[in-house]
Amino acid sequence: DVKVTQSSRYLVKRTGEKVFLECVQDMDHENMFWYRQDPGLGLRLIYFSYDVKMKEKGDIPEGYSVSREKKERFSLILESASTNQTSMYLCASSRTRTGGNYGYTFGSGTRLTVV
Amino acid sequence: GDSVTQMEGPVTLSEEAFLTINCTYTATGYPSLFWYVQYPGEGLQLLLKATKADDKGSNKGFEATYRKETTSFHLEKGSVQVSDSAVYFCALSLNTGGFKTIFGAGTRLFVKA
Repeated sequence: DVKVTQSSRYLVKRTGEKVFLECVQDMDHENMFWYRQDPGLGLRLIYFSYDVKMKEKGDIPEGYSVSREKKERFSLILESASTNQTSMYLCASSRTRTGGNYGYTFGSGTRLTVV
Repeated sequence: GDSVTQMEGPVTLSEEAFLTINCTYTATGYPSLFWYVQYPGEGLQLLLKATKADDKGSNKGFEATYRKETTSFHLEKGSVQVSDSAVYFCALSLNTGGFKTIFGAGTRLFVKA
C-alpha cells in the first residue's frame, strides 16, 4: 500500500524553538505539499515542491521554510515557533503538478501545539 | 477567482438514511473534481474523482457526477452507516498550467445508530 508518512502525530514545542516536521513518501511522486488545517479555515497551502531542491510558496508561507534534498522527503521548518502556528499540519504527494487526474495522497497529519 | 463551495455542516443522519452533500465550483478551464474524507484524528483520503463532464466517480457506496452545466459535484450515498461519520471535502484541480488545487471548507457528517 502506498504511503505518505509524517514523523510525528503529536508535538508540543515552546515559543521561539526551531521545529522540523518531516514527511516521507514511497510512491516516487514528483510533487509534495504542506498544508495546515484550522477549524473554520479549511486547508491552506504553505509550500509545495515539484522536484528535488525546488520549492514554491503557497498561500501562507510566512514563518515557514521547506527543504527537499531527496525526492521522497519534504521537510517543513518553523524558524521560530509562535503560538499562532498551533495547528494540524498535513503533508501530501501527487503524480502531477496540479494533482490533476490522480489526486493527492495525504499523511496522517501532525498536530503541533506551541506553548 | 476559482473556488469550491460546500454545504455547511454538521449534517446529522440516522443509520441507513440517504446522504447528499452539495458542492459547487467556479473555475476557469476544465478542472478535475474530487471528494476526500477525513476520519477523526487522521489525514485526508481520496474518496472518489471525476476528470471530465458527465463522469461519475464512485467508491464504497458513495457517488458523485461531474455536472458542467450546473458546475456541481454533489456527493451521495444511498444508505449511510455509523462508520461514515467523518468530514468530507470537495476539491478541484486545474489541469492547465501550473499548480492549483482548491479545497472546500469541509462538511462534517454525524451518523447516529
